Amino acid sequence: AQSVTQLGSHVSVSEGALVLLRCNYSSSVPPYLFWYVQYPNQGLQLLLKYTTGATLVKGINGFEAEFKKSETSFHLTKPSAHMSDAAEYFCAVRTPGNQFYFGTGTSLTVIP
Amino acid sequence: DVKVTQSSRYLVKRTGEKVFLECVQDMDHENMFWYRQDPGLGLRLIYFSYDVKMKEKGDIPEGYSVSREKKERFSLILESASTNQTSMYLCASSSHPGRNTEAFFGQGTRLTVV
Repeated sequence: AQSVTQLGSHVSVSEGALVLLRCNYSSSVPPYLFWYVQYPNQGLQLLLKYTTGATLVKGINGFEAEFKKSETSFHLTKPSAHMSDAAEYFCAVRTPGNQFYFGTGTSLTVIP
Repeated sequence: DVKVTQSSRYLVKRTGEKVFLECVQDMDHENMFWYRQDPGLGLRLIYFSYDVKMKEKGDIPEGYSVSREKKERFSLILESASTNQTSMYLCASSSHPGRNTEAFFGQGTRLTVV
């Protein structure tokens, strides 16, 4: 069975500081990996995705993530947090059976 | 742009009512999904469908059923709503790998059962 673990249900950073949101997955085969962002009372919006090829993936709003197969990790980073980054972030994996499994989410607070 | 549209943003229903949540996508996607989102639990898969009239149970199908009569439409049905089904419901669609690989989400329906 697939699983996705997000370490830290709440993360607070100061405006301008580095954002690091952690994600680990369990998969017996290389999966497709995703990060989504959700603003209050909205659906999920894709930030970035890893399918094949380059392991460092750049997304929207200055976010990037690195796929590390040896660590089964796909951590999300942004060099400098902005107030508008405050939201809920979800890591997800797509299985060969075309199902998506999501982590429990990390709520990011940006302190002015 | 892919668009996934859920018929309602907010719904309030009474215990025991039959509730229909509708979802329509406009990108000819094969796969459609219904998730339930609760604080601290993330997104949990209720049902998914990989073709018209095909459905598969997800992790929490109890108390729910689904219908997919047309490729673009996937309906979630609460046969007899209960207060523990108060939640945010998210519909999503995706194509088979080879085209876009991600899931596209609707804006969500916040259902309150009183």
